[in-house]
Amino acid sequence: EVQLVETGGGLIQPGGSLRLSCAASGFIVSSTYMSWVRQAPGKGLEWVSVIYSDGTTYYADSVKGRFTISRDNSKNTLYLEMNSLRADDTAVYYCARVGLGPAGVDCWGQGTLVTVSS
Amino acid sequence: QSALTQPPSASGSPGQSITISCTGTSSDVGAHNYVSWYQQYPGKVPKLIIHEVSKRPSGVPDRFSGSKSGNTASLTVSGLQAEDEADYYCSSYAGSNNCPYVFGTGTKVTVL
Repeated sequence: EVQLVETGGGLIQPGGSLRLSCAASGFIVSSTYMSWVRQAPGKGLEWVSVIYSDGTTYYADSVKGRFTISRDNSKNTLYLEMNSLRADDTAVYYCARVGLGPAGVDCWGQGTLVTVSS
Repeated sequence: QSALTQPPSASGSPGQSITISCTGTSSDVGAHNYVSWYQQYPGKVPKLIIHEVSKRPSGVPDRFSGSKSGNTASLTVSGLQAEDEADYYCSSYAGSNNCPYVFGTGTKVTVL
């Protein structure tokens, strides 16, 4: 069964750092496009970052220079390192597999809530 | 990358059809046949219902269909059912930009 399980969310003060993890099972993370998508409370979906199978990475302008996407092939796990966190980074963060075409997310994690507040 | 434009809301009676538009630009929707649609119930994880403009993943009812014309993609829900009441988001591939994906603003569908 294909599954994604995120961990690492929580309450963090503005300016702080947090690392989200996404453990995958049922497929190989490095063989496909993997992404992080977030959703602020009561708001819509927002692409945060993507890592292609060849290791190429991209970021939304809103997080560029502050967030880093990476993967550990030995652990079949995706990460999102978040630095210089701001209040507007508060959201549920979803790990996502882009498995159907270059833009079709066919598997989502359950989401992990990141709250940036003092 | 600006969000794709969707109407905030759409509604219809059971059995009717509704169409939700998703307007982008010649750099995203208009440039690639890689538009996806997602259904999301409150507090739940999004679910892919259409990919590559008009393809349905296994298990998605054929009441859902997608199309595209120029810079605008559309999702049609035929034979509307109570269970179709949810939020719907489009998404498009946008090439090798800062972030090559963009979501729509979302549409709340209400079944009257």
